Amino acid sequence: QSALTQPASVSGSPGQSITISCTGTSSDVGSYNLVSWYQQHPGKAPKLMIYEGSKRPSGVSNRFSGSKSGNTASLTISGLQAEDEADYYCCSYAGSSTLDVVFGGGTKLTVL
Amino acid sequence: QLQLQESGPGLVKPSETLSLTCTVSGGSISSSSYYWGWIRQPPGKGLEWIGSIYYSGSTYYNPSLKSRVTISVDTSKNQFSLKLSSVTAADTAVYYCARHQFTYYYDPWGQGTLVTVSS
Repeated sequence: QSALTQPASVSGSPGQSITISCTGTSSDVGSYNLVSWYQQHPGKAPKLMIYEGSKRPSGVSNRFSGSKSGNTASLTISGLQAEDEADYYCCSYAGSSTLDVVFGGGTKLTVL
Repeated sequence: QLQLQESGPGLVKPSETLSLTCTVSGGSISSSSYYWGWIRQPPGKGLEWIGSIYYSGSTYYNPSLKSRVTISVDTSKNQFSLKLSSVTAADTAVYYCARHQFTYYYDPWGQGTLVTVSS
């Protein structure tokens, strides 16, 4: 399976909203609502932010939301805060008969 | 609160076998509700799923690594392990263990351990 496609970087000012896209194919993102999103600060382990496309784990701010249209999933962060600056990765079920998942290449979010 | 902790050598020689263990605390690895997985991240690069295991011992591997990967579970110690054979410099990465949910997401993650392949 091929990696999901994410923009290398996005940026926004405090208080603004940004959206990170994650493009797959009709075999993965397009066929299943099984996309998850992870936030990773430098030197830290990834942290789950969104699962099953749009669900937020307990403790994750409601400023984070997930959606999907066709073969592209999106993570939107509203009311940007300095602590949101991090790398973000999407992940999707790869659509095979096993547990295969595929990750995106990651997006660096800079809060200006 | 469930916690995972990776352990193992930080330096492995080329062509040898990388071996890591993940110890689960605050919950049972024998739960029928989850898988347990390994994910790696080369320095400065993205994440790659290596494989996952169910408490019963059923294993699932990334097709690109399948020929070199073995994942096993020891329910008596609440641990699962990774072996990656014939390593090269391309296997240098931070290796994470994580709970792998049935709907294909990972939570929580261990803190990760850097394994460097070098002579």
